[in-house]
Amino acid sequence: GQNIDQPTEMTATEGAIVQINCTYQTSGFNGLFWYQQHAGEAPTFLSYNVLDGLEEKGRFSSFLSRSKGYSYLLLKELQMKDSASYLCAVRVLMNTGFQKLVFGTGTRLLVSP
Amino acid sequence: DTGVSQDPRHKITKRGQNVTFRCDPISEHNRLYWYRQTLGQGPEFLTYFQNEAQLEKSRLLSDRFSAERPKGSFSTLEIQRTEQGDSAMYLCASSLKGLAGGEQFFGPGTRLTVL
Repeated sequence: GQNIDQPTEMTATEGAIVQINCTYQTSGFNGLFWYQQHAGEAPTFLSYNVLDGLEEKGRFSSFLSRSKGYSYLLLKELQMKDSASYLCAVRVLMNTGFQKLVFGTGTRLLVSP
Repeated sequence: DTGVSQDPRHKITKRGQNVTFRCDPISEHNRLYWYRQTLGQGPEFLTYFQNEAQLEKSRLLSDRFSAERPKGSFSTLEIQRTEQGDSAMYLCASSLKGLAGGEQFFGPGTRLTVL
């Protein structure tokens, strides 16, 4: 089976740094994605990791350790507009050759002034 | 706007009625996905098309659900004899084979409420 864990909710202050962790147990791992989803809106792509290490994209960075089944999303210089849910998703290669995206339940981040 | 579009954005129906949703992917994307998302959960995969061929279906997709992508462009998702448990956000996503990472781009979703 596929299992993805991330904290349900986190709070942080404007201007601060926050790290959202994601652990996974899956077979057929073929990449990890982070998406941002504001309430009532579509998920939007933030980052993609397939090799171990850190990927940096402006205020957002994502890290992957395949041996530990672990990733984190780092958000720097938090802004109020960063209040959203952050979805960790693992791409899994199925027996059929299909690459399925399996999502965690999401971490709701609340940024306060 | 060249993103993924979905219609309608909201649908309220009575139990037992049939509903149909439409998704228009990003024009050059050959891969199209349907997901269902309930409150407090991440999206759950329902089905996948490559061009007009439906190549993968989740076990979540009961026989009341059917999806088509007749010309390899837009897709429709139909739910027959709706049940209250079908109430959810139905998301469509598209991607392009060969694009590095192959990230999926999501539409705004259709929120279904079954009374």
